[in-house]
Amino acid sequence: NAGVMQNPRHLVRRRGQEARLRCSPMKGHSHVYWYRQLPEEGLKFMVYLQKENIIDESGMPKERFSAEFPKEGPSILRIQQVVRGDSAAYFCASSQPGPRLGYTFGSGTRLTVV
Amino acid sequence: AQTVTQSQPEMSVQEAETVTLSCTYDTSESDYYLFWYKQPPSRQMILVIRQEAYKQQNATENRFSVNFQKAAKSFSLKISDSQLGDAAMYFCAYRSAGAAGNKLTFGGGTRVLVKP
Repeated sequence: NAGVMQNPRHLVRRRGQEARLRCSPMKGHSHVYWYRQLPEEGLKFMVYLQKENIIDESGMPKERFSAEFPKEGPSILRIQQVVRGDSAAYFCASSQPGPRLGYTFGSGTRLTVV
Repeated sequence: AQTVTQSQPEMSVQEAETVTLSCTYDTSESDYYLFWYKQPPSRQMILVIRQEAYKQQNATENRFSVNFQKAAKSFSLKISDSQLGDAAMYFCAYRSAGAAGNKLTFGGGTRVLVKP
């Protein structure tokens, strides 16, 4: 029973390139969340998705960032034209419906922009 | 908007002793959930304990227990009989039980050091 799978674990991009981060939720989980963690800080909510729908993107930067969770396949967080300030750990979590249940987190993708 | 504050950047504890991590939060809601997560150097976020605001009884999970004071909006974590494997960052988190209950709001974290 695999947990939340994120890949790659580490990603290095040059300034101006695109970064694609992938997340496969736990089996049976239909809700996916993305969080960003800057060094020495807590996690900050970015976006909440269900299959083919963005439910809450209140934490997403307005430009360059996008997320999707297609009917088939993993959820993708896409960052276009990366800048040094995008360097962070990006975590995906999944859950079943209902706030009473906790999330299951993936191990994160550490993005380094050089 | 809800906010979560962890006022202790770092706490040190001797192995086998007890340490308490503080967490306060600000909300106008009456129904919500509170969590403590552990993040070891591996970066994995591990759920330690969960508290439902409508339950007065404090949650306990083995050596981990909470002191939930709803009126004071305080949610501290006590780690008893500390072990070397408890060394990690600990994050307090809040989640609404209502329609907006789709995201966690995290505190800034407390680093726990365990001395042998």
